[in-house]
Amino acid sequence: SQELEQSPQSLIVQEGKNLTINCTSSKTLYGLYWYKQKYGEGLIFLMMLQKGGEEKSHEKITAKLDEKKQQSSLHITASQPSHAGIYLCGAAQGGSEKLVFGKGTKLTVNP
Amino acid sequence: KAGVTQTPRYLIKTRGQQVTLSCSPISGHRSVSWYQQTPGQGLQFLFEYFSETQRNKGNFPGRFSGRQFSNSRSEMNVSTLELGDSALYLCASSSGSRTGELFFGEGSRLTVL
Repeated sequence: SQELEQSPQSLIVQEGKNLTINCTSSKTLYGLYWYKQKYGEGLIFLMMLQKGGEEKSHEKITAKLDEKKQQSSLHITASQPSHAGIYLCGAAQGGSEKLVFGKGTKLTVNP
Repeated sequence: KAGVTQTPRYLIKTRGQQVTLSCSPISGHRSVSWYQQTPGQGLQFLFEYFSETQRNKGNFPGRFSGRQFSNSRSEMNVSTLELGDSALYLCASSSGSRTGELFFGEGSRLTVL
């Protein structure tokens, strides 16, 4: 079965700093989702990547799926306290709505 | 456009009882998936319904069941509750095209005492 490993597990940065979160898959990625979760709440959809080399941006967040389609990165530019939360990557299984998720990366942004 | 709505948001049950959770997907979406989130296991897929039919199923015991109605609203049921069933249960909605975006609700937090 497919497994996703996220790194780092947690990250503490000063406001204004850039940061990167990685998601590595044990198998080829056919669809990779990035979500943000505040503690105990639902998942907020950030981006979905499907093609190798694809890169998408939304406000100050950029996500990329590498050419070999086994790793994705999420980059935040000029971080703000509002970016704090848990970032989760999820991989679609065989083109279905079934997603396998990583354990998450907890981001803290200090003002 | 309204998002995914889950009810109830919080509930407390005792061991042996059963519980029913409800999910109303985004208007026009025909696929509803359910996930369980716990600190130890993270997010795990329970099942997916599309046009009132179960299309995918995760590795959970038969105590976990679900259904979908003709208006795409979905319910999941957990019978004979165990302490380990305490979790955040999340519902996700999509068009069902298998290449579209997946949107989650706020979740139902179940505590089993």
